[in-house]
Amino acid sequence: EVQLVESGGGLVKPGGSLRLSCEASGFTISGFSLNWVRQAPGKGLEWVSSITGGSNYIHYADSVKGRFTISRDNSKNSLYLQMNSLRAEDTAVYYCARDQGSNPLNGMDVWGQGTTVTVSS
Amino acid sequence: QSVLTQPPSVSGAPGQRVTISCTGASSNIGAGYDVHWYQQLPGTAPKLLIYVNSNRPSGVPDRFSGSKSGTSASLAITGLQAEDEAAYYCQSYDSSLSGSVFGGGTKLTVL
Repeated sequence: EVQLVESGGGLVKPGGSLRLSCEASGFTISGFSLNWVRQAPGKGLEWVSSITGGSNYIHYADSVKGRFTISRDNSKNSLYLQMNSLRAEDTAVYYCARDQGSNPLNGMDVWGQGTTVTVSS
Repeated sequence: QSVLTQPPSVSGAPGQRVTISCTGASSNIGAGYDVHWYQQLPGTAPKLLIYVNSNRPSGVPDRFSGSKSGTSASLAITGLQAEDEAAYYCQSYDSSLSGSVFGGGTKLTVL
Protein backbone atom coordinates (compact mmCIF):
# COMPACT_ATOMS: atom_id res chain seq x y z
CA GLU A 1 0.00 0.00 0.00
CA VAL A 2 1.29 3.44 -0.95
CA GLN A 3 1.51 5.47 2.24
CA LEU A 4 3.07 8.50 3.92
CA VAL A 5 3.38 8.66 7.71
CA GLU A 6 4.36 11.88 9.47
CA SER A 7 5.87 12.13 12.92
CA GLY A 8 7.64 14.63 15.14
CA GLY A 9 4.84 17.01 15.99
CA GLY A 10 4.23 18.28 19.48
CA LEU A 11 4.04 21.26 21.80
CA VAL A 12 6.89 23.77 21.59
CA LYS A 13 7.45 27.24 23.04
CA PRO A 14 7.68 30.30 20.79
CA GLY A 15 11.19 30.60 19.42
CA GLY A 16 11.74 26.86 19.72
CA SER A 17 12.54 24.24 17.12
CA LEU A 18 10.99 21.02 15.90
CA ARG A 19 11.87 18.49 13.22
CA LEU A 20 9.12 16.72 11.35
CA SER A 21 9.65 13.45 9.49
CA CYS A 22 7.61 11.76 6.81
CA GLU A 23 8.32 8.13 5.97
CA ALA A 24 7.08 6.68 2.71
CA SER A 25 6.15 3.08 2.08
CA GLY A 26 4.85 1.22 -0.95
CA PHE A 27 6.84 3.37 -3.37
CA THR A 28 10.30 4.90 -3.84
CA ILE A 29 10.35 8.65 -3.25
CA SER A 30 13.34 9.36 -5.49
CA GLY A 31 11.19 9.89 -8.57
CA PHE A 32 8.74 12.25 -6.96
CA SER A 33 8.55 15.82 -5.82
CA LEU A 34 7.40 16.08 -2.19
CA ASN A 35 5.64 18.81 -0.25
CA TRP A 36 4.76 19.99 3.21
CA VAL A 37 1.28 21.51 3.50
CA ARG A 38 -0.20 22.81 6.73
CA GLN A 39 -3.64 23.61 8.05
CA ALA A 40 -4.16 25.90 11.01
CA PRO A 41 -7.11 25.09 13.29
CA GLY A 42 -10.36 25.84 11.47
CA LYS A 43 -8.51 27.26 8.45
CA GLY A 44 -7.71 26.22 4.91
CA LEU A 45 -4.71 24.50 3.38
CA GLU A 46 -1.43 26.39 3.09
CA TRP A 47 1.48 25.12 1.02
CA VAL A 48 4.70 25.34 3.04
CA SER A 49 7.55 23.91 0.99
CA SER A 50 8.43 21.55 -1.84
CA ILE A 51 11.52 19.65 -2.95
CA THR A 52 12.08 17.87 -6.24
CA GLY A 53 13.25 14.27 -6.53
CA GLY A 54 16.93 15.05 -6.75
CA SER A 55 16.70 18.02 -4.39
CA ASN A 56 17.57 20.25 -7.36
CA TYR A 57 14.78 22.69 -6.67
CA ILE A 58 13.58 23.71 -3.23
CA HIS A 59 10.93 26.33 -2.60
CA TYR A 60 9.33 27.85 0.48
CA ALA A 61 6.28 29.93 1.23
CA ASP A 62 7.20 33.47 2.24
CA SER A 63 5.69 32.84 5.68
CA VAL A 64 8.39 30.27 6.54
CA LYS A 65 11.34 31.32 4.40
CA GLY A 66 14.51 31.61 6.45
CA ARG A 67 13.04 29.64 9.37
CA PHE A 68 12.12 26.25 7.88
CA THR A 69 14.34 23.85 5.95
CA ILE A 70 13.03 20.99 3.85
CA SER A 71 15.22 18.00 3.07
CA ARG A 72 14.94 14.43 1.93
CA ASP A 73 16.91 11.21 2.27
CA ASN A 74 16.04 9.01 -0.67
CA SER A 75 18.01 6.13 0.84
CA LYS A 76 15.70 6.20 3.87
CA ASN A 77 12.63 6.96 1.73
CA SER A 78 11.95 9.92 3.99
CA LEU A 79 11.16 13.63 3.90
CA TYR A 80 11.97 16.11 6.66
CA LEU A 81 11.05 19.62 7.78
CA GLN A 82 13.33 21.42 10.22
CA MET A 83 11.37 24.22 11.83
CA ASN A 84 13.23 26.93 13.75
CA SER A 85 12.17 30.20 15.39
CA LEU A 86 8.63 28.89 15.70
CA ARG A 87 5.77 31.32 16.16
CA ALA A 88 2.22 30.94 17.40
CA GLU A 89 0.97 31.29 13.83
CA ASP A 90 2.88 28.13 12.87
CA THR A 91 0.41 26.11 14.95
CA ALA A 92 -1.20 23.68 12.51
CA VAL A 93 -1.55 20.14 11.31
CA TYR A 94 1.37 19.48 8.98
CA TYR A 95 0.83 17.09 6.08
CA CYS A 96 3.43 15.66 3.75
CA ALA A 97 2.14 15.07 0.26
CA ARG A 98 3.52 13.47 -2.89
CA ASP A 99 3.31 15.10 -6.29
CA GLN A 100 2.33 12.85 -9.13
CA GLY A 101 5.56 13.60 -10.93
CA SER A 102 9.11 14.75 -10.47
CA ASN A 103 8.09 18.41 -10.41
CA PRO A 104 5.46 20.15 -8.26
CA LEU A 105 3.00 20.75 -11.08
CA ASN A 106 0.87 17.64 -11.40
CA GLY A 107 -1.27 17.49 -8.28
CA MET A 108 -0.63 15.85 -4.91
CA ASP A 109 -1.97 12.33 -5.05
CA VAL A 110 -0.77 10.80 -1.78
CA TRP A 111 -1.14 12.49 1.60
CA GLY A 112 -0.10 11.51 5.09
CA GLN A 113 -2.46 11.59 8.05
CA GLY A 114 -0.82 14.74 9.42
CA THR A 115 1.13 15.61 12.56
CA THR A 116 0.08 18.40 14.90
CA VAL A 117 2.42 21.23 15.85
CA THR A 118 1.36 23.54 18.65
CA VAL A 119 3.43 26.62 19.42
CA SER A 120 2.48 28.04 22.79
CA SER A 121 4.09 29.22 26.01
CA GLN B 1 -6.02 36.21 1.85
CA SER B 2 -5.46 33.36 -0.59
CA VAL B 3 -3.84 33.80 -3.99
CA LEU B 4 -6.64 31.71 -5.53
CA THR B 5 -10.15 32.90 -4.72
CA GLN B 6 -12.99 30.49 -3.96
CA PRO B 7 -16.46 31.14 -2.57
CA PRO B 8 -16.51 30.32 1.15
CA SER B 9 -19.59 28.15 0.84
CA VAL B 10 -22.02 26.59 -1.61
CA SER B 11 -25.04 24.40 -1.04
CA GLY B 12 -27.43 22.21 -2.94
CA ALA B 13 -30.12 19.61 -2.48
CA PRO B 14 -29.49 15.91 -3.11
CA GLY B 15 -29.47 15.19 -6.83
CA GLN B 16 -28.72 18.76 -7.82
CA ARG B 17 -25.66 20.19 -9.56
CA VAL B 18 -23.30 22.66 -7.94
CA THR B 19 -20.20 24.42 -9.19
CA ILE B 20 -17.25 25.86 -7.28
CA SER B 21 -15.16 28.56 -8.89
CA CYS B 22 -11.45 29.22 -8.45
CA THR B 23 -10.17 32.58 -9.66
CA GLY B 24 -6.49 33.22 -10.11
CA ALA B 25 -4.22 35.65 -11.93
CA SER B 26 -1.73 35.98 -14.76
CA SER B 27 1.04 34.51 -12.59
CA ASN B 28 -0.74 31.24 -11.89
CA ILE B 29 -3.81 29.92 -13.73
CA GLY B 30 -3.58 32.61 -16.38
CA ALA B 31 0.05 31.70 -17.03
CA GLY B 32 -1.04 28.24 -18.09
CA TYR B 33 -0.33 26.36 -14.89
CA ASP B 34 -2.68 23.50 -14.26
CA VAL B 35 -5.35 23.43 -11.58
CA HIS B 36 -5.99 20.56 -9.20
CA TRP B 37 -8.90 20.01 -6.83
CA TYR B 38 -8.99 18.33 -3.43
CA GLN B 39 -11.80 17.10 -1.24
CA GLN B 40 -11.36 17.18 2.53
CA LEU B 41 -13.89 15.39 4.68
CA PRO B 42 -14.08 16.54 8.31
CA GLY B 43 -11.12 15.33 10.37
CA THR B 44 -9.32 13.70 7.46
CA ALA B 45 -6.45 14.49 5.12
CA PRO B 46 -7.20 16.05 1.74
CA LYS B 47 -7.83 13.73 -1.20
CA LEU B 48 -6.97 14.47 -4.81
CA LEU B 49 -10.24 14.81 -6.71
CA ILE B 50 -9.27 16.34 -10.07
CA TYR B 51 -5.76 16.78 -11.47
CA VAL B 52 -4.44 18.76 -14.40
CA ASN B 53 -7.69 20.70 -14.80
CA SER B 54 -10.06 17.92 -15.76
CA ASN B 55 -8.65 14.48 -15.01
CA ARG B 56 -10.09 12.16 -12.38
CA PRO B 57 -7.89 9.75 -10.41
CA SER B 58 -8.99 6.16 -10.36
CA GLY B 59 -11.93 5.69 -8.01
CA VAL B 60 -13.31 9.21 -8.23
CA PRO B 61 -16.91 9.12 -9.54
CA ASP B 62 -17.63 10.80 -12.86
CA ARG B 63 -20.10 13.05 -11.01
CA PHE B 64 -17.03 15.20 -10.37
CA SER B 65 -15.61 17.21 -13.27
CA GLY B 66 -13.20 20.10 -13.70
CA SER B 67 -12.56 22.78 -16.27
CA LYS B 68 -10.23 25.71 -16.77
CA SER B 69 -10.48 28.85 -18.84
CA GLY B 70 -8.33 31.98 -18.78
CA THR B 71 -7.50 32.88 -15.21
CA SER B 72 -10.21 30.70 -13.66
CA ALA B 73 -11.17 27.10 -13.08
CA SER B 74 -14.32 25.34 -11.93
CA LEU B 75 -15.30 22.15 -10.20
CA ALA B 76 -18.73 20.75 -10.96
CA ILE B 77 -20.52 18.12 -8.92
CA THR B 78 -23.65 16.55 -10.37
CA GLY B 79 -26.13 14.23 -8.68
CA LEU B 80 -25.25 15.68 -5.29
CA GLN B 81 -25.08 13.12 -2.45
CA ALA B 82 -24.93 13.56 1.31
CA GLU B 83 -21.43 12.08 1.33
CA ASP B 84 -20.21 14.96 -0.84
CA GLU B 85 -20.50 17.32 2.11
CA ALA B 86 -16.90 18.43 2.60
CA ALA B 87 -14.45 21.24 1.99
CA TYR B 88 -13.06 21.62 -1.52
CA TYR B 89 -9.78 23.30 -2.42
CA CYS B 90 -8.23 24.31 -5.72
CA GLN B 91 -4.46 24.40 -6.15
CA SER B 92 -2.06 25.63 -8.81
CA TYR B 93 1.49 26.91 -9.20
CA ASP B 94 2.43 30.57 -9.05
CA SER B 95 5.50 31.78 -10.92
CA SER B 96 5.78 35.00 -8.91
CA LEU B 97 5.85 33.07 -5.64
CA SER B 98 7.82 30.14 -7.08
CA GLY B 99 5.57 27.72 -5.30
CA SER B 100 2.20 26.08 -5.05
CA VAL B 101 -0.86 28.04 -4.02
CA PHE B 102 -4.20 26.91 -2.66
CA GLY B 103 -7.59 28.52 -2.74
CA GLY B 104 -9.17 29.44 0.55
CA GLY B 105 -11.52 26.46 0.37
CA THR B 106 -15.24 26.06 -0.19
CA LYS B 107 -17.53 24.32 2.26
CA LEU B 108 -20.20 22.33 0.46
CA THR B 109 -23.41 21.73 2.35
CA VAL B 110 -25.90 19.17 1.10
CA LEU B 111 -29.32 20.39 2.19
